[in-house]
Amino acid sequence: GQQVMQIPQYQHVQEGEDFTTYCNSSTTLSNIQWYKQRPGGHPVFLIQLVKSGEVKKQKRLTFQFGEAKKNSSLHITATQTTDVGTYFCAGAYSGNTGKLIFGQGTTLQVKP
Amino acid sequence: NAGVTQTPKFQVLKTGQSMTLQCAQDMNHEYMSWYRQDPGMGLRLIHYSVGAGITDQGEVPNGYNVSRSTTEDFPLRLLSAAPSQTSVYFCASSPTPAGSSYNSPLHFGNGTRLTVT
Repeated sequence: GQQVMQIPQYQHVQEGEDFTTYCNSSTTLSNIQWYKQRPGGHPVFLIQLVKSGEVKKQKRLTFQFGEAKKNSSLHITATQTTDVGTYFCAGAYSGNTGKLIFGQGTTLQVKP
Repeated sequence: NAGVTQTPKFQVLKTGQSMTLQCAQDMNHEYMSWYRQDPGMGLRLIHYSVGAGITDQGEVPNGYNVSRSTTEDFPLRLLSAAPSQTSVYFCASSPTPAGSSYNSPLHFGNGTRLTVT
């Protein structure tokens, strides 16, 4: 079945360092979404990527969708303590409308 | 708008008991879904619905039932609770189904923390 793998599971960085999390699907995605979950909270939508090779930026966050639409990454430049949380990618597949499959998430800790 | 409302926030059940987790949204979203979240496992899709009267199974549907009689409500029923169902349950909705190319962000409720002893 469809699976979305996400690495790393955990990342500890010093404030000001960069951070990247990667997602990979075994089959081609229709689109991929990214969410952030703060400790004790619920996932909050960040962005959706639809086109092959798409790159989108939100301030210090850069999101990429691979050319083959099977992988994606989230890069945070110069992390801040407010970036702490778990970042999830979630993949949707053509012909399977309605199913959004989440990766395992990457938990980011930022040391001030 | 209240968004997605889940009740209860916390629940403790004994093995074998049944219960219904409630989910309601006031955004007129067609698509609704249920996820469970366990440490290290991410969010796993239990059931989803692309509109009133239509439901389908997700990744981990066993032990759970759903129905979608109205656009607003999407309750999740545990038929006979088991300790393996101890988890945090999230309900989510979006304007369009996840597979569509249109912007279809999921709006999550605050979750129900369920413990089965």
